Amino acid sequence: AQSVAQPEDQVNVAEGNPLTVKCTYSVSGNPYLFWYVQYPNRGLQFLLKYITGDNLVKGSYGFEAEFNKSQTSFHLKKPSALVSDSALYFCAVRSFSSGSARQLTFGSGTQLTVLP
Amino acid sequence: DGGITQSPKYLFRKEGQNVTLSCEQNLNHDAMYWYRQDPGQGLRLIYYSQIVNDFQKGDIAEGYSVSREKKESFPLTVTSAQKNPTAFYLCASSEGHRVLGGELFFGEGSRLTVL
Repeated sequence: AQSVAQPEDQVNVAEGNPLTVKCTYSVSGNPYLFWYVQYPNRGLQFLLKYITGDNLVKGSYGFEAEFNKSQTSFHLKKPSALVSDSALYFCAVRSFSSGSARQLTFGSGTQLTVLP
Repeated sequence: DGGITQSPKYLFRKEGQNVTLSCEQNLNHDAMYWYRQDPGQGLRLIYYSQIVNDFQKGDIAEGYSVSREKKESFPLTVTSAQKNPTAFYLCASSEGHRVLGGELFFGEGSRLTVL
């Protein structure tokens, strides 16, 4: 079975400060990892993904994430937060093993609030 | 512009009624998905389809039905058998298993409220 944990329901950060939204995963086989953002009453928007290669992945709107295989983590980061970054963030994982791929599994989401 | 269109945006239903949510995509994607979102529970997969005329149950398929008669369309019916249908429903598409690392593209969602 595959699973994703987002240990923090809520993250608050001051504008201009760095932000981190945490994600850990559990899969058998190689993981494909994704981050999405959701604004109120909207669909999810893709931010970035890790498939293979460089452990530091850069994505949309200045976000980046670091894949750490030994810690099974894929934390989302941004050097300087904006008020407009306030939204609900989802981490998701998909594994590929034994010749077949599983569907995406989403974490429960982390509400990020950037305070002016 | 390419994308996914869900309709209606808001829908109210009386108990005992079936309702159908529409999802259309013009991205030429093979795979389409329906998710249910409840507060604090993330997204749960209801049904998915990898190809026309084929679909598979997800984690919470009971009380729902789908069809995939055209590549562009993947409607979801919420039946009266669904015990707690009030939720936000999201449709998504992707290039499918031919591109394992492909991300999902989401529609804007449909909010169903049972009165």
